[in-house]
Amino acid sequence: DAKTTQPPSMDCAEGRAANLPCNHSTISGNEYVYWYRQIHSQGPQYIIHGLKNNETNEMASLIITEDRKSSTLILPHATLRDTAVYYCIVRDENTGGFKTIFGAGTRLFVKA
Amino acid sequence: EAGVVQSPRYKIIEKKQPVAFWCNPISGHNTLYWYLQNLGQGPELLIRYENEEAVDDSQLPKDRFSAERLKGVDSTLKIQPAELGDSAVYLCASSKYSDSYEQYFGPGTRLTVT
Repeated sequence: DAKTTQPPSMDCAEGRAANLPCNHSTISGNEYVYWYRQIHSQGPQYIIHGLKNNETNEMASLIITEDRKSSTLILPHATLRDTAVYYCIVRDENTGGFKTIFGAGTRLFVKA
Repeated sequence: EAGVVQSPRYKIIEKKQPVAFWCNPISGHNTLYWYLQNLGQGPELLIRYENEEAVDDSQLPKDRFSAERLKGVDSTLKIQPAELGDSAVYLCASSKYSDSYEQYFGPGTRLTVT
């Protein structure tokens, strides 16, 4: 699995967009980008995933660069409840198994 | 729909004692995972089950850790004997299939070994 690099922490004002970057420069053509988040004292929660195209769901948007070497998770209107650790993960859909390798993630602080 | 259930939520034991964690996955989910999470780090996979079969246990320290999923539903993770370094959060997750894009995590069991 390709490794990812994320900033250790970020701040965001409540109501503003939170843009969380992730570098995955060694990603291969069949590896997807996934994002999970973990709120304090809870297990991780799936947010979104994508391969090449930008993706959007009710929680967030995922922007993947054309060369696929980096991506950005966007929370359009951050709330205090979005304070959490956000994990960017890449995995190969064709390995015949699911090996999710979490890094240390980005700790997002949403401030009032 | 009920989520992944884990018990106990917290456990404090003395070193060299045994301990067991229990996980009930989401109904109908064939794949079950056990993760270990140390403070300030992301979860690390210990073992993955497809129904009753452990298909990936390469990261499980087999000298002291064991796991089972006898009927392909509930699972138990055991440590015997526990060491100080085993203090961590033990997370259970499930997914419908091994290649499902979404894993559902339980709240975890926080183990403290004194």
